[in-house]
Amino acid sequence: QKEVEQNSGPLSVPEGAIASLNCTYSDRVSQSFFWYRQYSGKSPELIMSIYSNGDKEDGRFTAQLNKASQYVSLLIRDSQPSDSATYLCAVNQGNNDMRFGAGTRLTVKP
Amino acid sequence: SAVISQKPSRDICQRGTSLTIQCQVDSQVTMMFWYRQQPGQSLTLIATANQGSEATYESGFVIDKFPISRPNLTFSTLTVSNMSPEDSSIYLCSARDWVETQYFGPGTRLLVL
Repeated sequence: QKEVEQNSGPLSVPEGAIASLNCTYSDRVSQSFFWYRQYSGKSPELIMSIYSNGDKEDGRFTAQLNKASQYVSLLIRDSQPSDSATYLCAVNQGNNDMRFGAGTRLTVKP
Repeated sequence: SAVISQKPSRDICQRGTSLTIQCQVDSQVTMMFWYRQQPGQSLTLIATANQGSEATYESGFVIDKFPISRPNLTFSTLTVSNMSPEDSSIYLCSARDWVETQYFGPGTRLLVL
């Protein structure tokens, strides 16, 4: 079965540290990958997309993609308490089949 | 990016009644979806709303319980029929744009008594 897997956490990091969130996927033909942030009681908000192998940086966020290993990650530098949320990995497996991981809950402690 | 609005934002309903949730996107999108999410749980896809034709339902969801309409490229409705307390959840409308990026509406919080 095609799946997207994430460590459910919770992941706890101190303020100012780097938070590393990981995601693996099973469908090798997947071409586009997304990270969403979901605050408690809110809907998911898109924060990053990545389509090619390597790193993509946007402010304090870096998405990393390794298609050979079927692995995508999100790094948050200089983590802030406001980054505390659940982070969802999403993979477009082709044929308009977007699959979401269950999410990793991140807590940034002041 | 697409901006999605939903109405109502929340509702409290009696068992056995039905509620229709409206979803409006500010731009034309290729695909629209309806999800359900329990607090603290992952997203569960209910169905893909197809323009001008019947929605495509995921396993465990049926048209009689969750009728969906999508009359054009920017609007869809989800009805939760004959509600029971087990239907209490957050219902999320989602849309995918022409570059395959998917966005979510703010959600509708439903409580069934």
